[in-house]
Amino acid sequence: QQQVKQSPQSLIVQKGGISIINCAYENTAFDYFPWYQQFPGKGPALLIAIRPDVSEKKEGRFTISFNKSAKQFSLHIMDSQPGDSATYFCAARGNAGNMLTFGGGTRLMVKP
Amino acid sequence: NAGVTQTPKFQVLKTGQSMTLQCAQDMNHNSMYWYRQDPGMGLRLIYYSASEGTTDKGEVPNGYNVSRLNKREFSLRLESAAPSQTSVYFCASRARRTGQSSEAFFGQGTRLTVV
Repeated sequence: QQQVKQSPQSLIVQKGGISIINCAYENTAFDYFPWYQQFPGKGPALLIAIRPDVSEKKEGRFTISFNKSAKQFSLHIMDSQPGDSATYFCAARGNAGNMLTFGGGTRLMVKP
Repeated sequence: NAGVTQTPKFQVLKTGQSMTLQCAQDMNHNSMYWYRQDPGMGLRLIYYSASEGTTDKGEVPNGYNVSRLNKREFSLRLESAAPSQTSVYFCASRARRTGQSSEAFFGQGTRLTVV
């Protein structure tokens, strides 16, 4: 069973629009929540990450929103660009652990 | 700086054959990981090595073995390949600092097909 559930599996957004990807987790011991971006033929690369002591983190056009009580977090991509077309993975890890648990991934396509 | 290097990039095996996937990192990281990526399943951890000399099972270890050869290198072995092991395999490494989270760096992947 997946401890981190991600939706949607695929997403099509027009250039300039907002892309929103959601994740939910079960394990309350998780305390580090990164998002990874993966282009075809490449390995995942860290995009942005958040810890649960803040409700939002913004880096450029990318924002993570975190709701600790609901055990949910989401990635918002503002002003989406065709170059943002990639697969996005949310993930989670506990402070005492050494393993990242990944969501199932979202394939984003931004249409020009 | 190469980061995390995986070899080979592509491989086709027949059922029952064995092979070893190689991974090396040049960032002096303590922890190394092997993941497999399947459509809709995200990345699932096969094995990891928290530090040189230690290895532990992840979520899907059956059918695999690993060796942490030294601090730089972490190999994944399939003793008797099965079609269910057709996947893209990623190696990753992380510095792992006590009490802090640190970024995991991934290699470019090995696409393995078992026929």
